[in-house]
Amino acid sequence: EVQLVESGGGLVQPGGSLRLSCAASGFTFRNYWMSWVRQAPGKGLEWVANIKKDGSEKYYVDSVRGRFTISRDSAKNSTSLQMNNLRAEDTAVYYCAREGPASLNLDSWGQGTLVTVSS
Amino acid sequence: IQLTQSPSSLSASVGDRVTITCRASQGISIYLAWYQQKPGKPPNLLIFAASTLQSGVPSRFSGSGSGTEFTLTISSLQPEDFATYYCQQLNSYPYSFGQGTKLEIK
Repeated sequence: EVQLVESGGGLVQPGGSLRLSCAASGFTFRNYWMSWVRQAPGKGLEWVANIKKDGSEKYYVDSVRGRFTISRDSAKNSTSLQMNNLRAEDTAVYYCAREGPASLNLDSWGQGTLVTVSS
Repeated sequence: IQLTQSPSSLSASVGDRVTITCRASQGISIYLAWYQQKPGKPPNLLIFAASTLQSGVPSRFSGSGSGTEFTLTISSLQPEDFATYYCQQLNSYPYSFGQGTKLEIK
């Protein structure tokens, strides 16, 4: 069974940093691209970033490029999202998701971790 | 690429046939997926490549379209289908979602 478990969320002040992690199990992690998607309270879904199977390619939505960094550790079957210079508008539940074959979909999702940016 | 879903909300009854539309601001071939999300839960994949049903998803769900216009159809609404539905394009970066369609019980 595919499992994705996010951790690292919490309350942080504007301008602060936070590192989210996603532990993957139940599948061969090195064979899949991984994405992060966020959802602000009461709002819709926003794709944030993804990373290639071997970590050689990374893509970001414009609103986080230069502030967020996605990474992965195949030895630990995990992906991380380092978030710097956080803003109030980054407040959201952050989901880790597995991209399906040929990146045609996000076929498995974690339960999410809440990040609140507030003073 | 901007995705616009219509309607934004919809009231329907059990047994109704429902169609949700997703329009892309530029052509995305068939690189479109549909998700269902219930309150407090992560999204669940329903359809990918515009019309391919994800394993385990009931056959009352179907998708169609290509290019810039896509539809999600639920042939006969069941009580568990009342949720919010999102389309997503995976044709080019940054991937993007539609704003969502909330399906409510009439």
